[in-house]
Amino acid sequence: DTEVTQTPKHLVMGMTNKKSLKCEQHMGHRAMYWYKQKAKKPPELMFVYSYEKLSINESVPSRFSPECPNSSLLNLHLHALQPEDSALYLCASSQVATSPTYEQYFGPGTRLTVT
Amino acid sequence: KNQVEQSPQSLIILEGKNCTLQCNYTVSPFSNLRWYKQDTGRGPVSLTIMTFSENTKSNGRYTATLDADTKQSSLHITASQLSDSASYICVVRSGTYKYIFGTGTRLKVLA
Repeated sequence: DTEVTQTPKHLVMGMTNKKSLKCEQHMGHRAMYWYKQKAKKPPELMFVYSYEKLSINESVPSRFSPECPNSSLLNLHLHALQPEDSALYLCASSQVATSPTYEQYFGPGTRLTVT
Repeated sequence: KNQVEQSPQSLIILEGKNCTLQCNYTVSPFSNLRWYKQDTGRGPVSLTIMTFSENTKSNGRYTATLDADTKQSSLHITASQLSDSASYICVVRSGTYKYIFGTGTRLKVLA
């Protein structure tokens, strides 16, 4: 199974709402990532978890709160978002290793619209 | 500054034709380079991955090349199909978690 799943596929939320995005993988990967992608732009790294610990936070606003409850699950909690936060949110996973040959697998993304 | 530049920005070709996409990078340290295909609104799907010592890697109708000396890579698509219409992204990995994404080439294949 080389699949990364993300739910929901689409999410519309108001600026005062609280919602969560969910990501799951069963490949035994111990690194998981959140990316944000705006239209016609490459993905931008937000967070990296390694062995369920936050390793990288790319200066993301606190209205985005990541959580890694176990090695297979990654959540992104959303609160008080702004319309400019509307984007495709991608989750990815990979092995944690210095080997240059390991792959980073992406999920299908959650299309988020903030109204 | 770590950078990955791709050209052309967009490309339109007829079905059945071949095309080549370019990727130039200035990334250090270099771990590997991979090409992804991304359909609109979907997550990227890996096509090829190459390490420093590899010059060519094929995946069906996709063939990637890497010249580590000039820091250039190309992705050649043979006998294009309508389903090849997508964005193609070149990504260079630097270190354990750092991935430098190119801005992509948007390919449209016409019948």
